Amino acid sequence: KNEVEQSPQNLTAQEGEFITINCSYSVGISALHWLQQHPGGGIVSLFMLSSGKKKHGRLIATINIQEKHSSLHITASHPRDSAVYICAVVPYGGSQGNLIFGKGTKLSVKP
Amino acid sequence: EPEVTQTPSHQVTQMGQEVILRCVPISNHLYFYWYRQILGQKVEFLVSFYNNEISEKSEIFDDQFSVERPDGSNFTLKIRSTKLEDSAMYFCASSPYRDGQPQHFGDGTRLSIL
Repeated sequence: KNEVEQSPQNLTAQEGEFITINCSYSVGISALHWLQQHPGGGIVSLFMLSSGKKKHGRLIATINIQEKHSSLHITASHPRDSAVYICAVVPYGGSQGNLIFGKGTKLSVKP
Repeated sequence: EPEVTQTPSHQVTQMGQEVILRCVPISNHLYFYWYRQILGQKVEFLVSFYNNEISEKSEIFDDQFSVERPDGSNFTLKIRSTKLEDSAMYFCASSPYRDGQPQHFGDGTRLSIL
């Protein structure tokens, strides 16, 4: 059983569309990360959150601890947003580095 | 902006050989991590390192793996006797504090075992 589930697995959008990627997890957590993996493989940390909502530019991340669910939203999507978006959780009581990763959502934004 | 750098970007090694993957974390960071991603699979935690010792490791990180911070800047992952299944992308990451800080990842080393 996967402890971190993401949906959808693949997502194709037209430029300008509003995008939502979902993450559900089954373990108690102290924090959740959203990461972006570029086609070349490099990983960039987008957000780390433990409650509420965070916003950075066109990206918004929300988390509902009671429902064990987080969403990543991209407003006014652009082809340069094309990447794999990964949700990863820090199990409660674990160190910040011992992340449990989801399989990722591959996003393709068409011009 | 400071970056985590990893070398080499691609390493090809014969099965059974030892390999050392190198990482230079961001200079004022204290916590260091290695992850791996087998092609087509999810990223997996290997080990975390703080104050010159391993703070946590996964079941993947068995006796063939070791980590070291040989000087003030490098952080290395050694695989003693490589197996075909060690072929993967290996990512190093660092963070300044244990709590509440996002991690900074390197671009990864692609390890291919022949």
